[in-house]
Amino acid sequence: EPEVTQTPSHQVTQMGQEVILRCVPISNHLYFYWYRQILGQKVEFLVSFYNNEISEKSEIFDDQFSVERPDGSNFTLKIRSTKLEDSAMYFCASSPLGQGDYQPQHFGDGTRLSIL
Amino acid sequence: AQSVAQPEDQVNVAEGNPLTVKCTYSVSGNPYLFWYVQYPNRGLQFLLKYITGDNLVKGSYGFEAEFNKSQTSFHLKKPSALVSDSALYFCAVRDMNRDDKIIFGKGTRLHILP
Repeated sequence: EPEVTQTPSHQVTQMGQEVILRCVPISNHLYFYWYRQILGQKVEFLVSFYNNEISEKSEIFDDQFSVERPDGSNFTLKIRSTKLEDSAMYFCASSPLGQGDYQPQHFGDGTRLSIL
Repeated sequence: AQSVAQPEDQVNVAEGNPLTVKCTYSVSGNPYLFWYVQYPNRGLQFLLKYITGDNLVKGSYGFEAEFNKSQTSFHLKKPSALVSDSALYFCAVRDMNRDDKIIFGKGTRLHILP
């Protein structure tokens, strides 16, 4: 069964540095998402992406964050200047459809981001 | 605003006994409801969903969930628990009339005792 893959599995970065988290969604999926889970807390929506643009973003997704689909297969989350509170598990997800006949989102195994 | 509540941080069940993991939700429109499971060091895996139709939905690994509109609940159930069911379970909701964002509950840790 096709899977969403995320790299790296663990990223350690100095505060203030830029970090890029990478995801390869399932190939025929059209919608892409990033979520984060701070240790011990609930999964939080960050952003959804469709047709090469952001379709929705949460209040967490401020100007420090950006997403890109650079080459038709990868989907990246960039944090421009990391803060300690960005330390979390970041999950990428994809789904074949959005509204209408709703299909569940498929999640990757996550990237654990540790900010020092 | 959409919200999901999972009132129990942890549920302990003896192997072979039935299990229930509780979830209540709040949306302004009609809900899409989901259960996901998270094993250690893994991503969220889809278990089942309710979109419309029968209130009792069946999913992966023998799990089922019952949609109760009057109680705004979507409890996860399994008739006979296995030790391998031990994991973190997330209830999630999407407002049918809104965009694709899913709101997750905080999760319930299910511990099956051998």
